Amino acid sequence: QVQLQESGPGLVKPSETLSLTCTVSGGSIIGYYGNWIRQPPGKGLEWIGYIYYSGSTNYNPSLKSRVAISADTSRDQFSLKLSSVTAADTAVYYCASGYNWDEFDSWGQGLLVTVSS
Amino acid sequence: QAVLTQPSSLSASLGASASLTCTLRSGINVDTYRIYWYQQKPGSPPQYLLRYRSGSDKQQGSGVPSRFSGSKDASANAGILLISGLQSEDEADYYCMIWHSGAWVFGGGSKLTVL
Repeated sequence: QVQLQESGPGLVKPSETLSLTCTVSGGSIIGYYGNWIRQPPGKGLEWIGYIYYSGSTNYNPSLKSRVAISADTSRDQFSLKLSSVTAADTAVYYCASGYNWDEFDSWGQGLLVTVSS
Repeated sequence: QAVLTQPSSLSASLGASASLTCTLRSGINVDTYRIYWYQQKPGSPPQYLLRYRSGSDKQQGSGVPSRFSGSKDASANAGILLISGLQSEDEADYYCMIWHSGAWVFGGGSKLTVL
């Protein structure tokens, strides 16, 4: 099973763009789906979107206007950009991957991102 | 009304069974959905347990003990995660999930306490 690790700034200012990277080790992202899921402190899970390694994407309609997910097969990375952030976007952000579109087999440990000035 | 509703908490005794429900909103028929279940322990990411649609369409997660099983209650329009032979390590948050209207939707989660 592959290992996933999220990276990026832990603090983002309101109205700016949150940018995170998920690096996959122990395997290639080729053939895999990469998902981003977030969890506000003390609350439940919210799916943000997924990308297939080839580039096709699907986003949560509630976030679609602000989200962009990309994949870099040369670096075995998935990336997330969330624009115009507010305090409501403060959460632990997880990446999760699977060979099939409905599989979240492997997860990163998560990264807490706080939106604050 | 939320798409998926889970009781916020429940408790059960060590060695007993626990039945966690995931109720679909009225108008969304549980029969047509695969329901996915995840377990999350404090400070850790969720872990996939299983998915269940029917007796012939189900999947256990890799390494997940058989004492975790899925089912449905059509009369309640709900998916069920049954955990038998409860162990202390089963104390965790449990989330259900479905693919609905082009998005993955999670339930609010249930916190299971093992007494």
